[in-house]
Amino acid sequence: IQMTQSPASLSASVGDRVAIHCRAGQNIDTYLNWYQHKPGKAPKLLIYASSILQTGVPSRFSGSGSGADFTLTISSLQPEDFATYYCQQCYSHPTFGPGTKVEV
Amino acid sequence: EVQLVESGGGLVQPGGSLRLSCAATEFTVRNSYMSWVRRAPGKGLEWISIIYKDGTTHYADSVQGRFSISRDIYTNTLYLQMNSLRAEDTAVYYCTRATTITTIYDYWGQGTLVTVSS
Repeated sequence: IQMTQSPASLSASVGDRVAIHCRAGQNIDTYLNWYQHKPGKAPKLLIYASSILQTGVPSRFSGSGSGADFTLTISSLQPEDFATYYCQQCYSHPTFGPGTKVEV
Repeated sequence: EVQLVESGGGLVQPGGSLRLSCAATEFTVRNSYMSWVRRAPGKGLEWISIIYKDGTTHYADSVQGRFSISRDIYTNTLYLQMNSLRAEDTAVYYCTRATTITTIYDYWGQGTLVTVSS
C-alpha cells in the first residue's frame, strides 16, 4: 500500500501549531501509526491506531483520520519537536510514508 | 528496560554478504513480531522484513531472494543475512519490535550502518 505525506518539509517556530498529512493508497481503516525520527537516534512511536497516544508522549501530539486520510497535529511546537515525521500503515505488510521534515 | 542493540554493519563490496545482529533484552524475540527497517541516505524509512511469533517470514520485493531474517531463541537475538548486496542497499538498518501482528513498532534499536561500495 502506497503512502504519501504532505508537505515534504515545513518551516515553523516554537509555539506554532503544525499539521502533517498522510494519505494511503487504499482504505486502511485506522491502521495508521506516526513516528518521530531525529538524526542518529532510534525512531520513536508517537501515535498508533490513528489517534491513540503512545505512553509517555506529550499531549501536544494528536492524530486523527480514518479510511485513507490522516493528520498528525502538534498543538504548540517545542524545540525538541524539530525532526522528521513518518506515517506507517499496518493494514498489510507495513509501508511508511516518505517523511515530513519539520525545521526551524 | 527493553533494549534492542544492532551490530554487524560495515563496508562491503557489491555482490558481497553481511550478517546483522540485534540483541534484545527485557523481552523475548520468540514472542514478538520482529522486523528490520532501513533508511537509505536522503530517503525515508523502508520496511524490509518481518518474522512472526510462529516463525513465518515475509520480505519486501526489494530484498526478496537476497536477504534472510532469522532468530535465535536461546540468545534472544534477531538476525538479517544479506547476500548479493547492491549499492542501493546502503542504509542504516534498524531492528524493531511489534507485540501484535498489526505492526505497531514500539521499540527500535539505534541502527547499524551498511555501506555497499567498491
